[in-house]
Amino acid sequence: GIQVEQSPPDLILQEGANSTLRCNFSDSVNNLQWFHQNPWGQLINLFYIPSGTKQNGRLSATTVATERYSLLYISSSQTTDSGVYFCAVDDDSSYKLIFGSGTRLLVRP
Amino acid sequence: GAGVSQSPSNKVTEKGKDVELRCDPISGHTALYWYRQSLGQGLEFLIYFQGNSAPDKSGLPSDRFSAERTGGSVSTLTIQRTQQEDSAVYLCASSLTGGPGYTFGSGTRLTVV
Repeated sequence: GIQVEQSPPDLILQEGANSTLRCNFSDSVNNLQWFHQNPWGQLINLFYIPSGTKQNGRLSATTVATERYSLLYISSSQTTDSGVYFCAVDDDSSYKLIFGSGTRLLVRP
Repeated sequence: GAGVSQSPSNKVTEKGKDVELRCDPISGHTALYWYRQSLGQGLEFLIYFQGNSAPDKSGLPSDRFSAERTGGSVSTLTIQRTQQEDSAVYLCASSLTGGPGYTFGSGTRLTVV
């Protein structure tokens, strides 16, 4: 099955800093999504981005499907950005997602 | 409802007992998924319901796990004869016609002692 690798596994930022999170996947995919899991465990869908670039406020994401990676950019980070960021993909259009192990982000005030 | 509702939010059970976890999806969402998240890990797919089609059970880890979805709405995940390795957060998600707009519930934290 598809393998999903995320890097870095852990990241500590000072408030206001920018960061880039990476997701590599081992095969072509129909669907790629980024999620944020807040410190209380709630998962929020950030982007559905099987290809191309999208932006939502301080967050943006780019997927280069031909090279099998996706990047999540966080600009001007805030303490509320803390939590775990997951990349998830599926390969058969069923939207059964295969999750990476996540990047744990801590933003310090 | 406005979101995906799961109950109970926390469940502590003794090894060997059966447990039932409930998920109430967003009204009108035909696709419903169960995932499991062990401590510090990513999410592991368990089972997928889409409309009236037969569920995709390919992620269930053993025959002690089963799930049903009644009337295309509420779903129940049942774990029989619980083991300590079943301890995890069980998350339910729904989406409109199986599309990418996943909405997750807050999860049920199951602890088997």
